[in-house]
Amino acid sequence: GAVVSQHPSRVICKSGTSVKIECRSLDFQATTMFWYRQFPKQSLMLMATSNEGSKATYEQGVEKDKFLINHASLTLSTLTVTSAHPEDSSFYICSASFGGFQPQHFGDGTRLSIL
Amino acid sequence: QQQVKQSPQSLIVQKGGIPIINCAYENTAFDYFPWYQQFPGKGPALLIAIRPDVSEKKEGRFTISFNKSAKQFSLHIMDSQPGDSATYFCAASRGSNYKLTFGKGTLLTVNP
Repeated sequence: GAVVSQHPSRVICKSGTSVKIECRSLDFQATTMFWYRQFPKQSLMLMATSNEGSKATYEQGVEKDKFLINHASLTLSTLTVTSAHPEDSSFYICSASFGGFQPQHFGDGTRLSIL
Repeated sequence: QQQVKQSPQSLIVQKGGIPIINCAYENTAFDYFPWYQQFPGKGPALLIAIRPDVSEKKEGRFTISFNKSAKQFSLHIMDSQPGDSATYFCAASRGSNYKLTFGKGTLLTVNP
């Protein structure tokens, strides 16, 4: 069964709206969660790394004030796209790492469409 | 700077064939090399992963070959099936708990 649950799977909203995406690790405590963005027919690009109880580390070129990440517990991280615009439309995917030599597990992604 | 180079971009094989996807990395600090399979509209699913202390790893029909000196690794899919048609990504990181750097992906089509 799924190890990482991502919600919602799809969201369509108007330009200027803020959208929150949840990433939950099921049955395990995730020491670290990662947020990726994927454009059609392209690879996954890491946006930020999130550790429980601390500020997220953003990759170069990713706007911190645009993409707010909160990792309040070991099982939940959220990504909020603030004042979304059409160019923010993309497939957003989270992954969770449980530490040690365990592999990262990915959620099923959120298709965000901004009209 | 692309740290993980993946080829080919796309690949078409017949059922039963053995598609091979290659990746090369630059950062010698990488010590964890997973392969992911992604179907349209879904997140990537881990297929198999290898660490540089072994040269080959098999799991079912999937085999990773690893050449540390050449900084290259490859995925072989034995007895490929139409259900294997998907996009495959190689990745690398400094440990499985660290951020992954992905290759650009290979779109595999297995014809019946």
